[in-house]
Amino acid sequence: QSVLTQPPSASGTPGQRVTISCSGSSSNIENNPVNWYQHLPGTAPKLLIYSNNQRPSGVPDRFSGSKSGTSASLAISGLQSEDEADYYCATWDDSLNGPVFGGGTKLAVL
Amino acid sequence: QVQLQESGPGLVKPSETLSLTCTVSGGSVNNNNYYWSWIRQPPGKGLEWIGYIYYSGTTNYNPSLKSRVTISVDTSKNQFSLKLSSVTAADTAVYYCARRSGSFSGLFDYWGQGTLVTVSS
Repeated sequence: QSVLTQPPSASGTPGQRVTISCSGSSSNIENNPVNWYQHLPGTAPKLLIYSNNQRPSGVPDRFSGSKSGTSASLAISGLQSEDEADYYCATWDDSLNGPVFGGGTKLAVL
Repeated sequence: QVQLQESGPGLVKPSETLSLTCTVSGGSVNNNNYYWSWIRQPPGKGLEWIGYIYYSGTTNYNPSLKSRVTISVDTSKNQFSLKLSSVTAADTAVYYCARRSGSFSGLFDYWGQGTLVTVSS
């Protein structure tokens, strides 16, 4: 059981906007920045969003992040087939004294 | 461009020790801005943080694995390593090494490609 809770799956059609949620607690999301990763099978996970809503260089602005209280969200607009991947949220947990991940959300582009 | 590459046996027998090394290029492990980490993903499951080491040698491990984990750093070779003792089938996973930025963060900005380690007799 992951410390951060994500829906196991999400889906959308090309061009649509989808959001993926990440729920935590006061010991993690509420007081620490949230990061999002895109993971394609057989490849290294890729940092997609850091510090709640910042995009690393090279990440399209179709990807955006937000945080409110003990929850965070990743939004993908203008969905493309290449966005089909697993998405993970991660943050620091003050109780664990270490980083924690969500269980991951498998995004299907129909 | 920073690159990380895991290496080590892909098959380990139950009760033995899993040993992996991560070689860093394009950057130095002897850098006080980063924490060198190990993360794993069991088949069909999510990512699990194993632990990290700071350039000074300070370590921090996931409490669920702490009794079996040792992470070390070799600054002369620009490598860091993972040892996980008394392995069982539950330790079968893809193991990633990664660079973590920030003192209290889940920000892993560079990752290795991952290496599958199977625990089986």
